[in-house]
Amino acid sequence: GQNIDQPTEMTATEGAIVQINCTYQTSGFNGLFWYQQHAGEAPTFLSYNVLDGLEEKGRFSSFLSRSKGYSYLLLKELQMKDSASYLCAVTDSNYQLIWGAGTKLIIKP
Amino acid sequence: IAGITQAPTSQILAAGRRMTLRCTQDMRHNAMYWYRQDLGLGLRLIHYSNTAGTTGKGEVPDGYSVSRANTDDFPLTLASAVPSQTSVYFCASSATSPGELFFGEGSRLTVL
Repeated sequence: GQNIDQPTEMTATEGAIVQINCTYQTSGFNGLFWYQQHAGEAPTFLSYNVLDGLEEKGRFSSFLSRSKGYSYLLLKELQMKDSASYLCAVTDSNYQLIWGAGTKLIIKP
Repeated sequence: IAGITQAPTSQILAAGRRMTLRCTQDMRHNAMYWYRQDLGLGLRLIHYSNTAGTTGKGEVPDGYSVSRANTDDFPLTLASAVPSQTSVYFCASSATSPGELFFGEGSRLTVL
C-alpha cells in the first residue's frame, strides 16, 4: 500500500531551527509537496520538490531524496507564527496526491 | 470573490438528510477536488474533476456525489448523511495536475 510517515508532533524554541521529516512509500513518484496549516484554517502551499536536492525559499527549505523515499522541511529563525501543522504529500504514478497525517509544530518562547 | 469560496462554513445535520456543500472558484483552474480531513488522518480525496464535464472517484467516494457543469463550480452532495461523514470538508483547485493546490476555507459538517 501507499504510505506517508511524518512525526505527529514536534516542539521547538523561538529563534531556533527545526527539521520535519517525511518518508514515503508510493506507487510511482511525480513530486512531493509541503503545506502549512494553521489550526482551524485551510492548508497553504509551501514548497514542491520533484528532483533530488534542496530547495530554499526564505526561512523555509525543503529537501528530497527519491532513492531513499525521504524529504525534510527545514524551518530557520523560528517565529511564534510558525506554530502550525505541516503536511507532506506525494504525487503518485496516477498523479494523485497521497497525504501524510501532518506534523503539529509547537513553538515555545 | 477571490480564490475559492465554500458554503456553508459550518452545518449541523440530522442523519438521513440530504446536504450539498458548495464550492466556487474564480481562478479559471481546470482541476478541482473535494477532501475530507479527520483528526489524526491525512487529507483524503473524495472526488475530483480534471476539467469541466468530467469527474472521478478518489480514495473515499462512497456516500458522496459531485458534478462539474462548468469551470467555476464543483458542488459535493451527501445523498443521505450518516454520522461517519462528520468531518471538515475542503474544496481545492489547481491550474495543472500535479500542481499547487489552492484550498477553500473549509466546511465543518456535523451529522447527528
